[in-house]
Amino acid sequence: DARVTQTPRHKVTEMGQEVTMRCQPILGHNTVFWYRQTMMQGLELLAYFRNRAPLDDSGMPKDRFSAEMPDATLATLKIQPSEPRDSAVYFCASGFAGGGRPQHFGDGTRLSIL
Amino acid sequence: GENVEQHPSTLSVQEGDSAVIKCTYSDSASNYFPWYKQELGKRPQLIIDIRSNVGEKKDQRIAVTLNKTAKHFSLHITETQPEDSAVYFCAASRNFGNEKLTFGTGTRLTIIP
Repeated sequence: DARVTQTPRHKVTEMGQEVTMRCQPILGHNTVFWYRQTMMQGLELLAYFRNRAPLDDSGMPKDRFSAEMPDATLATLKIQPSEPRDSAVYFCASGFAGGGRPQHFGDGTRLSIL
Repeated sequence: GENVEQHPSTLSVQEGDSAVIKCTYSDSASNYFPWYKQELGKRPQLIIDIRSNVGEKKDQRIAVTLNKTAKHFSLHITETQPEDSAVYFCAASRNFGNEKLTFGTGTRLTIIP
């Protein structure tokens, strides 16, 4: 059963530290999404890529967040410097554009910034 | 941009009864409407989806209906069971799901044994 893999599952760090979250999309999927889930804001899109090219990063704070896809099997989301308000669960999802296949979510990274 | 509203925010039903969750969307270009179930501490899992060219879709005890004119869609769960207890999210997307999902705020469903 193909799954989206996210690492780490949990991360606790101090304010000001760099945080890197990684996502391995389902093999063959060409679209990768980063969502953030908080109690206050719910599930919201940060950025997404198709064929490794960024299509929309309007939901991402540009001054401290960056998202990349170094290759088709790896997407990264970085926060530098991190702040307590970045504490949330970050989900990666992947899908296949053109095939009409639904987005499947990874297990998420639970991030706590102290 | 798209705005998805979801009601109710919490819902309690007796085991065996039916549950209905409703969503409305604002973007007339949205044409794909999935529903996700999220258990505590877990990832959202797709349970059913519908495209705009279909008015209703059913999968065992779960069904979704779509009214394009009114821009609303609903999730129906029949013969509810304790394992149906979870938070349910509706979402909307353009391009049959190939673009970003805009989520509703979620419904916490509790099945009372």
